[in-house]
Amino acid sequence: DQQVKQNSPSLSVQEGRISILNCDYTNSMFDYFLWYKKYPAEGPTFLISISSIKDKNEDGRFTVFLNKSAKHLSLHIVPSQPGDSAVYFCAASARVQGAQKLVFGQGTRLTINP
Amino acid sequence: NAGVTQTPKFQVLKTGQSMTLQCAQDMNHNSMYWYRQDPGMGLRLIYYSASEGTTDKGEVPNGYNVSRLNKREFSLRLESAAPSQTSVYFCASRAPSLWVEAFFGQGTRLTVV
Repeated sequence: DQQVKQNSPSLSVQEGRISILNCDYTNSMFDYFLWYKKYPAEGPTFLISISSIKDKNEDGRFTVFLNKSAKHLSLHIVPSQPGDSAVYFCAASARVQGAQKLVFGQGTRLTINP
Repeated sequence: NAGVTQTPKFQVLKTGQSMTLQCAQDMNHNSMYWYRQDPGMGLRLIYYSASEGTTDKGEVPNGYNVSRLNKREFSLRLESAAPSQTSVYFCASRAPSLWVEAFFGQGTRLTVV
């Protein structure tokens, strides 16, 4: 049962335009959400996060929006740059019996075209 | 500062063989995780550990065992490897604070033939 879902396997965006990556979750117990970026043959690296008590967090070109009622979050990248081409994973965290469970979505491959 | 270190980086096993994937972190993190990455499936949680001596099953624990012998190390064991376990395995660690990110190792690419 996939608790975190990224329904778009791929996304292609023109350089300079906005990239919007989406993520849905099913578990109301999740209290912290993260986005990771992954290049081939490397481990995922942290990009930006948001706690469940907020609806927006911004860091430079990256903004994450959280809609708790819809159980939906999105990552906006503006302006998009060629170096942003990578696989992006959405993740959600919940405290389960004292341990911090961290689950990921399937990933979205973002391609920025010059 | 090495962060999260995984060994080996690559491994080929025959069906039925056993092996242990090693993971160590030097950030004094309490929580550690093992994931596998497969095309179209994303990162799936195999096992996680809140502290030394405690482990919990994730989404896909069947066919795996783990050991958290100390705070630094969290190993993943395949007792009898199967071709379905061909994957890239990632270890991660995370500080105990509520709202922090996890740090990942570089991955182990395992092929079972």
